[in-house]
Amino acid sequence: DTAVSQTPKYLVTQMGNDKSIKCEQNLGHDTMYWYKQDSKKFLKIMFSYNNKELIINETVPNRFSPKSPDKAHLNLHINSLELGDSAVYFCASSHRGALDTDTQYFGPGTRLTVL
Amino acid sequence: KQEVTQIPAALSVPEGENLVLNCSFTDSAIYNLQWFRQDPGKGLTSLLLIQSSQREQTSGRLNASLDKSSGRSTLYIAASQPGDSATYLCAVRGSARQLTFGSGTQLTVLP
Repeated sequence: DTAVSQTPKYLVTQMGNDKSIKCEQNLGHDTMYWYKQDSKKFLKIMFSYNNKELIINETVPNRFSPKSPDKAHLNLHINSLELGDSAVYFCASSHRGALDTDTQYFGPGTRLTVL
Repeated sequence: KQEVTQIPAALSVPEGENLVLNCSFTDSAIYNLQWFRQDPGKGLTSLLLIQSSQREQTSGRLNASLDKSSGRSTLYIAASQPGDSATYLCAVRGSARQLTFGSGTQLTVLP
């Protein structure tokens, strides 16, 4: 049973395209997150949703738009992809709010390569 | 702005050795600190979570300590095994209420 799942695992696309990454968690958590891990392995928060509401929105280009159709899903849509968007994107979830102190559970990551 | 540093960046030890991974953070106003393990091509697995009011947490062969005032945490791994080979990431949840990660320590345990 996969707790936090992401699709696709790998995504290779041309510059300028629009793409989506999906995330689902079956842990019954209230809060979901998107992180970006760059080539230097730093993980940085992008967005956080609590009960389908956006609560954290870091300085991310507005080409990135998260969508939460329900509490168990948080999808990431990226418009007009650029070379610098190449990275590994991780979805995560946690119980209660993002302002709480609970453990975050991470998905396997989606490796995005923009050509 | 919170900054998290992990030293060393890479570590190679023979099987059976005890080892310590270090993590330091610049803003001591944190809610908790979490240690993760990342295997190549895989997601992050949470190892230990230490709340700001705690000094240490233990899980099996792992022991994590937290000294908030000095902005330091250590992850102690006893009797290391080849299966412990992975990248270990430290992350703090600070006043901005989000996780700030270090760049990790890549550990290789040689059989």
